[in-house]
Amino acid sequence: GEDVEQSLFLSVREGDSSVINCTYTDSSSTYLYWYKQEPGAGLQLLTYIFSNMDMKQDQRLTVLLNKKDKHLSLRIADTQTGDSAIYFCAEKPGNTPLVFGKGTRLSVIA
Amino acid sequence: EPEVTQTPSHQVTQMGQEVILRCVPISNHLYFYWYRQILGQKVEFLVSFYNNEISEKSEIFDDQFSVERPDGSNFTLKIRSTKLEDSAMYFCATEEPNTGELFFGEGSRLTVL
Repeated sequence: GEDVEQSLFLSVREGDSSVINCTYTDSSSTYLYWYKQEPGAGLQLLTYIFSNMDMKQDQRLTVLLNKKDKHLSLRIADTQTGDSAIYFCAEKPGNTPLVFGKGTRLSVIA
Repeated sequence: EPEVTQTPSHQVTQMGQEVILRCVPISNHLYFYWYRQILGQKVEFLVSFYNNEISEKSEIFDDQFSVERPDGSNFTLKIRSTKLEDSAMYFCATEEPNTGELFFGEGSRLTVL
């Protein structure tokens, strides 16, 4: 079945760039998503990318997609303490429900 | 900006009790979902709902669970007889019909004692 893998933890210094990586299994996924979850809060959609794109940039966020390797990454430029959260990668294979990874906990050190 | 709203934000219940979690979808959305997240674990799909019936459900969604949209506005998840392992954050999501984007509510935290 579908599976989404992410590293569990990432720690960066304030002002540095963060890169959160994700691998997925279903090549038919048309959308790939990044969600942010702050402590005790819900899931906030950060950005998504169509599978026919290689890159998408949105202010401090850059999403890179390598379809051949089924690898997705989220780069956060100039990381701030407010970026500390859990980041979930998710794929949506066709018309089936969204499949989430376990989430990467990003800690930003001041 | 339209949003998905969920109530209650937190519910504490005794094992064996029935619980109903409510969600108000975004008005033009047609597909609705429930997901759950046990503390520290991944977000798991429970069920999807379209045109007043279940379109897909996971293995987690057993006979203790049910969903309905009784009044055309609230989309509810009922757990008939709660177990300790039902303690989790339950997220409702609704799907934008043109892009397929999912909008999540802020979640209902269920604690079963």
